[in-house]
Amino acid sequence: SAVISQKPSRDICQRGTSLTIQCQVDSQVTMMFWYRQQPGQSLTLIATANQGSEATYESGFVIDKFPISRPNLTFSTLTVSNMSPEDSSIYLCSVESLAVNEQFFGPGTRLTVL
Amino acid sequence: SQKIEQNSEALNIQEGKTATLTCNYTNYSPAYLQWYRQDPGRGPVFLLLIRENEKEKRKERLKVTFDTTLKQSLFHITASQPADSATYLCALGESSGDKLTFGTGTRLAVRP
Repeated sequence: SAVISQKPSRDICQRGTSLTIQCQVDSQVTMMFWYRQQPGQSLTLIATANQGSEATYESGFVIDKFPISRPNLTFSTLTVSNMSPEDSSIYLCSVESLAVNEQFFGPGTRLTVL
Repeated sequence: SQKIEQNSEALNIQEGKTATLTCNYTNYSPAYLQWYRQDPGRGPVFLLLIRENEKEKRKERLKVTFDTTLKQSLFHITASQPADSATYLCALGESSGDKLTFGTGTRLAVRP
């Protein structure tokens, strides 16, 4: 199994500002995933982050809005840029255990944009 | 793209009864299907995985079935307990290492 921590756990931000969310894993992993979970909605994949290459973004998500860094095999950041109230959501990072196709999730970052 | 349907209404049951949650998908059968539990303010926790060539999988009080003809998975919790109260998400995977597509989840409430 993998233990994942995220910082911050929650934040309240002003419109137009940016927030960087950190994700730390206790073991080395190839792929890390960033999800968004809006109130009452399912988890939606934002992008997949591989170490040493550009992140792969899903339809509807762009690098300018959600830049991602992946400096090593245990760490990643997601930035939510130029925030608006519509960005209020829980942001989750996860990693996959390829041996069992199981994903491990971090506790999430609850973002509120005023 | 794949569309997943889970009952958006909460399921309320009496302690000791069996809870049955449904996950339906609309397009091609996935390579595997997973069930997760999510508590308020926390990330999802993996429970069970079932592959397309499997009809049933069990783990303690949990049972998952996978019917590719009906395009449906059922998730059962036997001898339910109030501690089982949570939201349960199903997720479909196309192949190893590929992204997961999640349903919206069904909230289960087990009353003592």
